[in-house]
Amino acid sequence: DTAVSQTPKYLVTQMGNDKSIKCEQNLGHDTMYWYKQDSKKFLKIMFSYNNKELIINETVPNRFSPKSPDKAHLNLHINSLELGDSAVYFCASSHSASGTSGGNTGELFFGEGSRLTVL
Amino acid sequence: GEDVEQSLFLSVREGDSSVINCTYTDSSSTYLYWYKQEPGAGLQLLTYIFSNMDMKQDQRLTVLLNKKDKHLSLRIADTQTGDSAIYFCAGLRGPYTGGGNKLTFGTGTQLKVEL
Repeated sequence: DTAVSQTPKYLVTQMGNDKSIKCEQNLGHDTMYWYKQDSKKFLKIMFSYNNKELIINETVPNRFSPKSPDKAHLNLHINSLELGDSAVYFCASSHSASGTSGGNTGELFFGEGSRLTVL
Repeated sequence: GEDVEQSLFLSVREGDSSVINCTYTDSSSTYLYWYKQEPGAGLQLLTYIFSNMDMKQDQRLTVLLNKKDKHLSLRIADTQTGDSAIYFCAGLRGPYTGGGNKLTFGTGTQLKVEL
């Protein structure tokens, strides 16, 4: 069973369209994330949700709207796609950091990535 | 914000040791990690080290942490062709009381293993 699964794996679309990427984890984690990896392989956090609440929101255009219907799912919806949105988007999950001192090592478990190409 | 720097490329011969280096600016990082990314795949955690340690060994992997110089390294012994991948170091700034782990990733090092 895949621990963190994202769909679709590939997405090719035209500028101006709206698209969504879905993510599900079956690890029992309470925190989920979206990361963006650009063409130079640089990884940057976009959002994080803990128990369905937004806790990290980096400087991301408001065309990006994450939604977490429950703690096992975190979807990413992108409106009015632009060329610069082309990237690989990674979903990840973890236990919450509040347990770090009690043995939670803070590691993130990543999905396989969704490659978005905007033409 | 935190900067985490790595050299972009490393090429080694099969059977040799590889050493991948990382420097970081945030001394408050509680955990430091090494992740591996194979082509077309997600990131896989290889190993981690807590900030109060200076060395950790895990089979072929050895992590060295020099807190004074803010330098982290990953040594892979007896490097194999299957080790060819991009390696990312990452730091966790903590504790994060909001309930999330904000990892800052390095720029990644492409390791190429030649026969």
